[in-house]
Amino acid sequence: DIQMTQSPSSLSASVGDRVTITCRASQDISNYLVWFQHKPGKAPKSLIYDAFSLQTGVPSKFSGSRSGTDFTLTISSLQPEDFATYYCQQYKSYPLTFGGGTKVEIK
Amino acid sequence: EVQLVESGGGLVQPGGSLRLSCEASGFTLSDHYMDWVRQAPGKGLEWVGRIRNKANSYTTEYAASVKGRFTISRDDSKNSLYLQMNSLNNEDTAVYFCARGTCRRSTNCYYYIDYWGQGTLVTVSS
Repeated sequence: DIQMTQSPSSLSASVGDRVTITCRASQDISNYLVWFQHKPGKAPKSLIYDAFSLQTGVPSKFSGSRSGTDFTLTISSLQPEDFATYYCQQYKSYPLTFGGGTKVEIK
Repeated sequence: EVQLVESGGGLVQPGGSLRLSCEASGFTLSDHYMDWVRQAPGKGLEWVGRIRNKANSYTTEYAASVKGRFTISRDDSKNSLYLQMNSLNNEDTAVYFCARGTCRRSTNCYYYIDYWGQGTLVTVSS
């Protein structure tokens, strides 16, 4: 199975901050990585697919990048609606696997 | 508008069975793969399994933790996805989400989740 190691597990940030979340895959997954945002009691929301591509309707403050097996989600300027838990997931091979999540909290 | 609405959750005793449903609307279900994902209380997301579309013979994949106990099926004519859960144990207590799988390429497709339902809670307890 491909392990997805996500860091940090939580972070505190202020409105306007630039935030970076990282996922490391245990083996090559090419660009087959998606990022989700999840708020309690809500349906998770897909933000970025194929490591870089913005899902329709997602604001451009979200961006994704890749360096080898390391993937990064960046929020350029954190807004109140961005406080949530973020997950990565690889879809290169089965079983599909998630990172452990990053909870973004208000400082 | 894409909508996925789960139902069928509830309280079940260990060893029991439950069938979840997911009603899809706003898109052509037969074009897409469909997944089930769960979240145990206080934990992260866990992929449960997937059913491919008609073009890929409705074949299925499962997580090791549920293989042999859970079965995913679909009825495209009813715009519905199902999760039959047997031999339930306490570790299966979770919110269960259905999710749509999409591929934007015309060849060499790897399907990713692009839409989710809000989930239905399954509690396994005596």
